[in-house]
Amino acid sequence: GEDVEQSLFLSVREGDSSVINCTYTDSSSTYLYWYKQEPGAGLQLLTYIFSNMDMKQDQRLTVLLNKKDKHLSLRIADTQTGDSAIYFCAERRPASKLTFGTGTRLQVTL
Amino acid sequence: EAQVTQNPRYLITVTGKKLTVTCSQNMNHEYMSWYRQDPGLGLRQIYYSMNVEVTDKGDVPEGYKVSRKEKRNFPLILESPSPNQTSLYFCASTPMGQRNTEAFFGQGTRLTVV
Repeated sequence: GEDVEQSLFLSVREGDSSVINCTYTDSSSTYLYWYKQEPGAGLQLLTYIFSNMDMKQDQRLTVLLNKKDKHLSLRIADTQTGDSAIYFCAERRPASKLTFGTGTRLQVTL
Repeated sequence: EAQVTQNPRYLITVTGKKLTVTCSQNMNHEYMSWYRQDPGLGLRQIYYSMNVEVTDKGDVPEGYKVSRKEKRNFPLILESPSPNQTSLYFCASTPMGQRNTEAFFGQGTRLTVV
């Protein structure tokens, strides 16, 4: 199918690590992205990974890509209350089309 | 400042009354697109445009029209809105021909059709 799938909800305690998972569909996708949407705001690009990479680290963020299984994950270390948001994975398909996942709402509790 | 500007941010309208949501970008990007965001469905592409006078259907085009007369503007037109078009809409622009083409999003337009 055409869907990019994510679980809808994740709750973690402040200071713990969060892992948000995504399964995409198009093996020809060249870039995979993680976007963050805070309440009432648009989407903000967090990080991205090129399809020939396995891992990318950017401060508290670690992206893991398993191309064989078409599985992408975002790990947020030392999760803070300011990380509470909806996180979307997206794959870039031919002709610049971005296809988004359903979004995962991350709730950070004290 | 590089940005994508949508107007209005909020709109309540009645079934059948034509409306237009404007989108403008100041980055000289070729590619622009409209998405709608619905709970549990993520963002779905409505229409996209690869350049002036070039538009094409996305995944959920029914009930919408677009135009691209100028590079910077990409309005979304609902000729006869219906309640199932109540949603949060985002416009995005992307440069083409670059290795990593980040999409820049507008702040969103929350549309309610009653």
